[in-house]
Amino acid sequence: DTAVSQTPKYLVTQMGNDKSIKCEQNLGHDTMYWYKQDSKKFLKIMFSYNNKELIINETVPNRFSPKSPDKAHLNLHINSLELGDSAVYFCASSQADYGYTFGSGTRLTVV
Amino acid sequence: GDSVTQMEGPVTLSEEAFLTINCTYTATGYPSLFWYVQYPGEGLQLLLKATKADDKGSNKGFEATYRKETTSFHLEKGSVQVSDSAVYFCALGGGSNYKLTFGKGTLLTVNP
Repeated sequence: DTAVSQTPKYLVTQMGNDKSIKCEQNLGHDTMYWYKQDSKKFLKIMFSYNNKELIINETVPNRFSPKSPDKAHLNLHINSLELGDSAVYFCASSQADYGYTFGSGTRLTVV
Repeated sequence: GDSVTQMEGPVTLSEEAFLTINCTYTATGYPSLFWYVQYPGEGLQLLLKATKADDKGSNKGFEATYRKETTSFHLEKGSVQVSDSAVYFCALGGGSNYKLTFGKGTLLTVNP
């Protein structure tokens, strides 16, 4: 049973396209996140949702729009993709101080 | 704001060597501290954590102690193996913070 699953694992697309990444967690956690990992492995939070409510939006371009239909799902939609959006995107979930569980990542390549 | 500083890599060791990866933090309040590990081509896995001062987290031979007086959470292992080769991230967060703040990661390579 995968705790945090995200799809697709790999995504190659052209500049200007719109794409979505889906994330689901079966841990019953209240909080979900999107993180971006750049080519130097640096991890930076993009968004945080708690019980479907947006808590954190960290200076992310508004081409990125998260959507949380319920507390087990947090999807990321990206409009008008740019070369600089190429990165690995990680979904994660947490509950209080019990630790954060990460998905296996989506490697996005914009060509 | 919160920040985490960890030693720059890469770190290259021979099998059975002693490992230390330094991590210091700046935070308001009393955060929880974490070490995550990322094996090549994989996601992040929680390695260990500590939720209050003087707590020691340990797992798979790794350990780290939450030192409030020095704002540090250094990762140590007495004898590394080739299979420990990975990127290690120190992070702080938890509670009502709603996010993890990561250090830049340290690439560890262990040679046979």
